[in-house]
Amino acid sequence: EAGVTQSPTHLIKTRGQQATLRCSPISGHTSVYWYQQALGLGLQFLLWYDEGEERNRGNFPPRFSGRQFPNYSSELNVNALELEDSALYLCASSWAGNSYGAFFGQGTRLTVV
Amino acid sequence: GDSVTQMEGPVTLSEEAFLTINCTYTATGYPSLFWYVQYPGEGLQLLLKATKADDKGSNKGFEATYRKETTSFHLEKGSVQVSDSAVYFCALRGSWGKLQFGAGTQVVVTP
Repeated sequence: EAGVTQSPTHLIKTRGQQATLRCSPISGHTSVYWYQQALGLGLQFLLWYDEGEERNRGNFPPRFSGRQFPNYSSELNVNALELEDSALYLCASSWAGNSYGAFFGQGTRLTVV
Repeated sequence: GDSVTQMEGPVTLSEEAFLTINCTYTATGYPSLFWYVQYPGEGLQLLLKATKADDKGSNKGFEATYRKETTSFHLEKGSVQVSDSAVYFCALRGSWGKLQFGAGTQVVVTP
């Protein structure tokens, strides 16, 4: 069974541009989470989608947005990129219900220059 | 809101030493609790979980017990190896399904 896949693996953008990151969940999973991991340590919660709806968002500015498609894949958009947006962006998917853990993709490394 | 607090690292140990990483949580309702591990240069892997009070999760020699009375989920391993060097994250999935992580604890095991 395929795991969570994220694309692209690496992305280099110029300050002020827009970035689009994609995530395909494990088959059957309806929840998708997005996290930002800067400095190789802590995970900052960005967004959570379930059944096509945004359920919660973290403490990030509105230029971070996303959506979940009918096939449960998801997209994270970052507008007006800033240097401090450089980080590893991780996507995770899960079944609905709080007794299930989430499974992570390998991440997209976004570098803003 | 729900939150997870775990001990700061780095934790440096010799091979075969006993490892404990403390994790406490704040949550309403009945959350599930998880430990994840991130090896250098890799993504996060689910290590173990517990879904109700007094449950013990275990995997690869690691154990953690869901203690509702102390709101804790400490990770333990009796004899660590160099290959256990990684960052360990405690996480909580609350009643509404949101998955919340602690700050992570780096563990360094020396030969």
